[in-house]
Amino acid sequence: ETGVTQSPTHLIKTRGQQVTLRCSSQSGHNTVSWYQQALGQGPQFIFQYYREEENGRGNFPPRFSGLQFPNYSSELNVNALELDDSALYLCASSLQGAVKTEAFFGQGTRLTVV
Amino acid sequence: QKEVEQDPGPLSVPEGAIVSLNCTYSNSAFQYFMWYRQYSRKGPELLMYTYSSGNKEDGRFTAQVDKSSKYISLFIRDSQPSDSATYLCAMNTGFQKLVFGTGTRLLVSP
Repeated sequence: ETGVTQSPTHLIKTRGQQVTLRCSSQSGHNTVSWYQQALGQGPQFIFQYYREEENGRGNFPPRFSGLQFPNYSSELNVNALELDDSALYLCASSLQGAVKTEAFFGQGTRLTVV
Repeated sequence: QKEVEQDPGPLSVPEGAIVSLNCTYSNSAFQYFMWYRQYSRKGPELLMYTYSSGNKEDGRFTAQVDKSSKYISLFIRDSQPSDSATYLCAMNTGFQKLVFGTGTRLLVSP
């Protein structure tokens, strides 16, 4: 167990709807990164949050947005859902400023858009 | 060209075999190299972490990094059916995004 928890574990949404996914980081970690993993692919970086601010973003449109809270937990919001947004969404927790930049993942949220 | 290339497999081996998993990469700025194991419908689990070139051993697992060739490997000795999973290589330049390979699916038969 990594101590990184994500909720919900599964959900089904309709195209055009909005969704919010949640992540609690591992104790002592101050950085949260979000990844999208399509079936049969490796995870793709969406963005990272550090000190409640976005700290790097991958090649994802603005309808993917996020938040980080003072307790370092985080949310991923996706607006105007598209069928291609169906994927496993992973949250990774790490410690910015540490010698090792190990990232530990949660179990993921499986999103299905119909 | 993808930044990280990894053969998707599947790679099928008998129990007890030595398994070799590999990735190549194109970004010479990568300094941190990781291997993750991912069981079906689960999140990736960190197996090995290596900084720069060299070897690192942990039990049955050995990670190798050859920065001159931009090539990394994971060896699994005495493979077990419980090792059946997808193995993802990942790397980065520092604190920001991890860049993953596609993952290699490993099947170890009893």
